[in-house]
Amino acid sequence: GAVVSQHPSRVICKSGTSVKIECRSLDFQATTMFWYRQFPKQSLMLMATSNEGSKATYEQGVEKDKFLINHASLTLSTLTVTSAHPEDSSFYICSARRDRGPGNTIYFGEGSWLTVV
Amino acid sequence: DAKTTQPNSMESNEEEPVHLPCNHSTISGTDYIHWYRQLPSQGPEYVIHGLTSNVNNRMASLAIAEDRKSSTLILHRATLRDAAVYYCMTSNFGNEKLTFGTGTRLTIIP
Repeated sequence: GAVVSQHPSRVICKSGTSVKIECRSLDFQATTMFWYRQFPKQSLMLMATSNEGSKATYEQGVEKDKFLINHASLTLSTLTVTSAHPEDSSFYICSARRDRGPGNTIYFGEGSWLTVV
Repeated sequence: DAKTTQPNSMESNEEEPVHLPCNHSTISGTDYIHWYRQLPSQGPEYVIHGLTSNVNNRMASLAIAEDRKSSTLILHRATLRDAAVYYCMTSNFGNEKLTFGTGTRLTIIP
């Protein structure tokens, strides 16, 4: 079956530094990927839609200059949290829509835990 | 995307069928209905999705009301591994932006 992989699964960074999280679709092409954030005991919150070859579309309230998204290929999207602060500590999850195949199936990655100290 | 309403929590006995309801009364004609589930500290797992007809796969069945304003996810024989938060969502074909609600926390009683 289709698999979406995220890396790293866990990362700890110092306040003020930047950290990059990768999201890969392993056996299918994905023109569109999505990035979510989830705080403990809360639901997933959509941050942005990542489109291959074009700029990402951010949800209201999400700072595009802080959460940089790059979707340079049909199998890879990256989320860079710039100038991270402790309040950015969260579980970040990506999803990808298969370009071809049974319609509309969206697959999620395993998630990446970010801890900013 | 149509707003969905689910019960906050449900309990079921192990090896019994489970029926998880979802209301999506403002669904449009081209919106798909998606079900995902999430275990703690894991990404959501695809369960099933459908448009108008009932759907079956190895994990579950999806029963869609004739007016499409509600649907029910059916786990035919619950196991302890089915304990999770189940999310029901809708999306428009071609715009698969899924908006998560609070979901239903399913507890399986041994």
